[in-house]
Amino acid sequence: GAGVSQSPRYKVAKRGQDVALRCDPISGHVSLFWYQQALGQGPEFLTYFQNEAQLDKSGLPSDRFFAERPEGSVSTLKIQRTQQEDSAVYLCASTSPGTETSNQPQHFGDGTRLSIL
Amino acid sequence: KQEVTQIPAALSVPEGENLVLNCSFTDSAIYNLQWFRQDPGKGLTSLLLIQSSQREQTSGRLNASLDKSSGRSTLYIAASQPGDSATYLCAVRPIHTGANSKLTFGKGITLSVRP
Repeated sequence: GAGVSQSPRYKVAKRGQDVALRCDPISGHVSLFWYQQALGQGPEFLTYFQNEAQLDKSGLPSDRFFAERPEGSVSTLKIQRTQQEDSAVYLCASTSPGTETSNQPQHFGDGTRLSIL
Repeated sequence: KQEVTQIPAALSVPEGENLVLNCSFTDSAIYNLQWFRQDPGKGLTSLLLIQSSQREQTSGRLNASLDKSSGRSTLYIAASQPGDSATYLCAVRPIHTGANSKLTFGKGITLSVRP
């Protein structure tokens, strides 16, 4: 596709339920990022993939959060036993190179707005 | 730890005014700085990316400057229009993260341009 695609756009779940959020990056993009954006805040880094390898998961807030990218393309962010504080917009971004000195911009999807009741 | 600050949180100006949005960061060890635009309910659109070796970048009515040593960047918008109303975020990519080009964001400035 032309851009980063995320689904669903909106998700409402009851506290304690598991949710799965999907990200389709731009075709051929090596690097993929997940960010969490709380209301009125800037996005906060969650995790980073280079192809299928999850190289940095230092931003995941707890072990209830799990992300995967098994074939190096589509990624899924899973949240188990959701809590109210998980309510936020989850943004996915991708960029083409995976080199240390790259200066390519990140391209963002429209996000998934997650509301936990 | 890198911190990015954008003040004020909100700004309202009349149409046609030239304006400057400010961004400051605490650690000058960065590869680049990006300015993004975010419309309500939407993701982020990259406006300008300034590499650490550059001083400014221009795109249309937008001009972004970078003073890495003082930890400051500005986004200048010329002849503002109601369609410029959005939240503007700046983000830095720190050095020492290898190929991981994760960004550290400010909270954004919500701009309203009055007709």
